[in-house]
Amino acid sequence: DIQMTQSPSTLSASVGDRVTITCRASRGIVNYLAWFQLKPGKAPKSLIYDASTLQSGVPSRFSGSGSGTHFTLTITSLQPEDFTTYYCQQYNNYPYTFGQGTKLEIK
Amino acid sequence: EEQLVETGGGLIQPGESLRLSCAASGFTVSSNYMNWVRQSPGKGLEWVSILYSDETTYYAASVKGRFTISRDASKNTLYLQMNSLKTEDTAVYLCARARRRRDDYPGAFDIWGQGTMVTVSS
Repeated sequence: DIQMTQSPSTLSASVGDRVTITCRASRGIVNYLAWFQLKPGKAPKSLIYDASTLQSGVPSRFSGSGSGTHFTLTITSLQPEDFTTYYCQQYNNYPYTFGQGTKLEIK
Repeated sequence: EEQLVETGGGLIQPGESLRLSCAASGFTVSSNYMNWVRQSPGKGLEWVSILYSDETTYYAASVKGRFTISRDASKNTLYLQMNSLKTEDTAVYLCARARRRRDDYPGAFDIWGQGTMVTVSS
């Protein structure tokens, strides 16, 4: 199975800050990586697919980059609603696998 | 609006069976790649299974032989039949639609349900 290592596990930031979350795959996954947001009791919200393509309706302050084994999610100008948990997921091989999550907290 | 709503979760004893449902609206389940994913405190997020439009299925090793993914086109609903349940199957179960990649394989998930809680305990 492909292991997805996400870092950091917790990130403290302020409204208006720029933050970056990293996801590393144990072997190459081309660009078949997605980022999504998970809030308690709500349906996950997909943010980015194919490493860098924004899902429809997602604000442009979210961006993704990377290919192969190293990927990043960047959020510029953090808004209050952005403080939640983020996950990466590879869909290059079965079983699909997820990172451990990054909890973005208000400093 | 495209939406998924899961039902069928509950408290169940080890060894018993349960069927989860995922009702779709705004799109057709049988024309899409449909998945089940689960989230448990101890294991984080775990992909469980996928069903293709041509009825091809794949499963995680942890559930293969015990879980079965299926659909009912007339009800536009996806199912997960879970047999021989174990305490480690305790989780919130979510269904999700996968986009179609340019090479026609399943891609990223774009629509998710809120999930239904399954607790396996004696």
